[in-house]
Amino acid sequence: AQSVTQLGSHVSVSEGALVLLRCNYSSSVPPYLFWYVQYPNQGLQLLLKYTTGATLVKGINGFEAEFKKSETSFHLTKPSAHMSDAAEYFCAVSEGAGNQFYFGTGTSLTVIP
Amino acid sequence: GAVVSQHPSWVICKSGTSVKIECRSLDFQATTMFWYRQFPKQSLMLMATSNEGSKATYEQGVEKDKFLINHASLTLSTLTVTSAHPEDSSFYICSARGAGGIGELFFGEGSRLTVL
Repeated sequence: AQSVTQLGSHVSVSEGALVLLRCNYSSSVPPYLFWYVQYPNQGLQLLLKYTTGATLVKGINGFEAEFKKSETSFHLTKPSAHMSDAAEYFCAVSEGAGNQFYFGTGTSLTVIP
Repeated sequence: GAVVSQHPSWVICKSGTSVKIECRSLDFQATTMFWYRQFPKQSLMLMATSNEGSKATYEQGVEKDKFLINHASLTLSTLTVTSAHPEDSSFYICSARGAGGIGELFFGEGSRLTVL
């Protein structure tokens, strides 16, 4: 069975500071991993994804994530937070193309000016 | 990326009425679409998987007679909340799986339902 754990339902950072959102997963097979962002009253937008190959994945808006198999983690980072990054972030895992997605409970990011 | 559109974005209805929400894949064909419900400050709860030309598969605890899903074409799935009550008020989001590739999910903008 698959599951996704996002540590910290709320994260606050100062503008310009490092953003680190944590995601750990469990999967019986090599997973596909995703990060989505949700702005208020909107759907989810794909930030980045890992399927195979390079473990450091770069996404939109300056975000990146690193797949660490030994730690079963896929943490999301951004070197310098911007006010516009304030949103809800969801980590998701799938056991491969065509399989069901499992979402974490989400992390709300607040950026303090 | 692929575009999924939902309509309406906001809907307010009286208790006892039915509301239909549409989910369209605008630039690709989606054999499978998913319907989620999201409560404030919470994650997405998968309600059902909608397959084109066949009956939807509902998750445990979701009333299929309450939440009617129709996926009549490769670009359109509809969710009808029948005899809506205030407890059905929520944010409903659809997603569609892209064809080929890794089958990643593309999400609609969401539909906020308020039942008075």
